[in-house]
Amino acid sequence: DAGITQSPRHKVTETGTPVTLRCHQTENHRYMYWYRQDPGHGLRLIHYSYGVKDTDKGEVSDGYSVSRSKTEDFLLTLESATSSQTSVYFCAISEPGLNQPQHFGDGTRLSIL
Amino acid sequence: DQQVKQNSPSLSVQEGRISILNCDYTNSMFDYFLWYKKYPAEGPTFLISISSIKDKNEDGRFTVFLNKSAKHLSLHIVPSQPGDSAVYFCAASERGSRLTFGEGTQLTVNP
Repeated sequence: DAGITQSPRHKVTETGTPVTLRCHQTENHRYMYWYRQDPGHGLRLIHYSYGVKDTDKGEVSDGYSVSRSKTEDFLLTLESATSSQTSVYFCAISEPGLNQPQHFGDGTRLSIL
Repeated sequence: DQQVKQNSPSLSVQEGRISILNCDYTNSMFDYFLWYKKYPAEGPTFLISISSIKDKNEDGRFTVFLNKSAKHLSLHIVPSQPGDSAVYFCAASERGSRLTFGEGTQLTVNP
């Protein structure tokens, strides 16, 4: 298993509260990604990072922000959570270069009431 | 615009038989394709991949076929085992860029 730890694994919170999810890796991979998985949509990219302090938006970035101050940590923040952000969130890592598969953490199940 | 589509939400197969999972794409610039397997409460696990310069790649019981003219790829699992029961996602990328995933197909292998 790739050394990827997501925390928390489960969280229930209320609309309007801030939420931060953490992804920690021990593989020293440069690239990190945040996805959400919803029924009928597969996995959709929220934000990604190609290195420390180097982040960019994915296809569903509205309402989310990220930070990467260390190679091993990638944080996803919902500044003011909404019910539409109820989902399962996955972090992934990969090496740079062509044809490099991404490896995933076990996910965070987030429920916003 | 769904660039990667898995049209079958579910597939049921008898143990020992072949499982064939299908995936279609619309972006002709995709040049790298992957299959992931996902069990409940776990993250997706990389299974097998293929570059667009090939039309087939094998790894044990798993074979991926790529038909570029039809923009179609398939995953064959032979023989299927009950432990193969999972959701399978196909994904594609263009020149090492971000992955685009299909919706997933739930495979059930019956003993």
